[in-house]
Parts: sequence; C-alpha cells; structure tokens
Amino acid sequence: GAGVSQSPSNKVTEKGKDVELRCDPISGHTALYWYRQSLGQGLEFLIYFQGNSAPDKSGLPSDRFSAERTGGSVSTLTIQRTQQEDSAVYLCASRRRLLETQYFGPGTRLLVL
Amino acid sequence: QKEVEQDPGPLSVPEGAIVSLNCTYSNSAFQYFMWYRQYSRKGPELLMYTYSSGNKEDGRFTAQVDKSSKYISLFIRDSQPSDSATYLCAMIKGDGNKLVFGAGTILRVKS
Repeated sequence: GAGVSQSPSNKVTEKGKDVELRCDPISGHTALYWYRQSLGQGLEFLIYFQGNSAPDKSGLPSDRFSAERTGGSVSTLTIQRTQQEDSAVYLCASRRRLLETQYFGPGTRLLVL
Repeated sequence: QKEVEQDPGPLSVPEGAIVSLNCTYSNSAFQYFMWYRQYSRKGPELLMYTYSSGNKEDGRFTAQVDKSSKYISLFIRDSQPSDSATYLCAMIKGDGNKLVFGAGTILRVKS
C-alpha cells in the first residue's frame, strides 16, 4: 500500500513568511510524528499525535511552530514568521501500534532566505 | 550531554569490508533499540529492531545490544556500494512513545 507522503517536496521562502507543510500518514496508523533534521544532525522530535489524545508538543522549538491533525489522518505543520535557522528537512512518520516501527515520509526540504 | 551519542563519521571503507557502527546512551530507561538507514534525499527506513541484550542477525546485518554498558552496534558484512548511506541509531523508553535518535553516521563503501 501507499507509504507516508509529504508535500511539498521542497519549499523556498523568504524570512518572515509563514509556511505550511503537509503529511499524509499510512491509512490506519493512529500515531503521527513530526521531526526536524538539520544538515549533519540527527532527527529532532517536534510533536506527536496519538488518536484523539492531546498532542505532545514538548519538542516544538518556539511558539512560531504549531501543528494540527484533522480527522485523525492528515497533519499540517505551520511555521510562522520563518527565520533562516528554520531551514532544515521536516520529516513526518506514522505508526500503527505502540512500540511498532515508525514509517517515514520523504521529507520537505525548507530553505528560508 | 546528549542522551544518545553517535560518531557522525564519515566512515569510508572498501567494498567487501566489515563495517561496525556504534552508539552509546546514558539513560537506562531506553528499552528498545533500532537502526535506520537513510539514503540521500530520502526518509529513514528501519533496518533492525531489537529489545534484549545480545545479537540479532538479518542477512548481512547484525545488531548487538549491551544494556549493561549502554552500548549498541550494527555490523555490516561484505559491504556493498549500495550500503552507502547515513545510519541512524534510535531508541525508545518503556512507554514506547518517542524515538530518540543519534546524529547518524555517514558510510561510504568504495568499489
């Protein structure tokens, strides 16, 4: 079946603009994660959605970052007033059950000029 | 200090070599251990998933966990140029909610 998909693949924006990144998880997966990967760095956890529970936002770096998950499926990560340090690859992952593997999308490469 | 430490490399080896990749961790709450492979401009994909201390083998790949030393390894036998990628260790605490990743090791296998 289809894997995790993300759009856009690449996004170039100007400093101060808002951006929205989209993630379509695998159908039936109850958990969805957002990560950020900067050049030469590992994956940094941002936010986690599990079913209808309140999301775990403990990894969001500032209040310019927010995310929502509509209908328990598609998720949007929004970055307001982008800064150059926000340039990174933003990865989405989903999993079906606790302790099962997370399946990753291809990522959105964000460049803030 | 990071919870998970991993040498970023790059590690360059000739084709056919045995590759050893390692991570150390500081929190004994980590119970489940994974290795992901990430090709350039792709998302990470799971290679190995282990729980207990000891070895787990899958084809040319062997994952090793030593919980007493807080040390995990991935061995690749008969390395191939197609193994050239970034290898990320990851681990989960007992609640199973969030993965904590190492920085990733860049591996280059030269033909």
